[in-house]
Amino acid sequence: QQQVKQSPQSLIVQKGGISIINCAYENTAFDYFPWYQQFPGKGPALLIAIRPDVSEKKEGRFTISFNKSAKQFSLHIMDSQPGDSATYFCAASKAAGNKLTFGGGTRVLVKP
Amino acid sequence: EADIYQTPRYLVIGTGKKITLECSQTMGHDKMYWYQQDPGMELHLIHYSYGVNSTEKGDLSSESTVSRIRTEHFPLTLESARPSHTSQYLCASSEYPGTAYGYTFGSGTRLTVV
Repeated sequence: QQQVKQSPQSLIVQKGGISIINCAYENTAFDYFPWYQQFPGKGPALLIAIRPDVSEKKEGRFTISFNKSAKQFSLHIMDSQPGDSATYFCAASKAAGNKLTFGGGTRVLVKP
Repeated sequence: EADIYQTPRYLVIGTGKKITLECSQTMGHDKMYWYQQDPGMELHLIHYSYGVNSTEKGDLSSESTVSRIRTEHFPLTLESARPSHTSQYLCASSEYPGTAYGYTFGSGTRLTVV
């Protein structure tokens, strides 16, 4: 049973465009929703995280939108750059630091 | 800079061999995890530990075993490697009871069993 569903599996966007990745979760006990970025040959690295008491969090060009009633959250990458080309994972857990359940990942390719 | 170290980075080994993948962290984190990442990208939790002498199996059944004798060290062992064990193995750690920083991942070990 996949508790965190992520879409799309892959995404191609032109430089300067907006990349949007969506995730949906089932477990209402989840209260911590991070996004990880993984480059080839590296482990995933924390990009940005949100808790359900806020609907949006922005860090630079990266924004998380959170819809608690729909049990959905999304990552927006504004002004996408070729250096953003990576695999992105959404995740959820019952509090930060606890066991994370990951989505299936999205490969993002930003074309120059 | 990585504060969690995995060795070796790459390993090619024959079927039936015993192998140990090493994972060490210098952050004093209580919680440590092993994930298997398949070529399709998805991350599967195979083992985790919430402290010394505490280990649990994850969501994905695995023939590997782990130990946690020291806080900083969380090795994963395969007693008899098989081609089906070929995969990328990622180790991670986090603080207890938890911070805004979530997991810190190592760079992984890419294992090939021939």
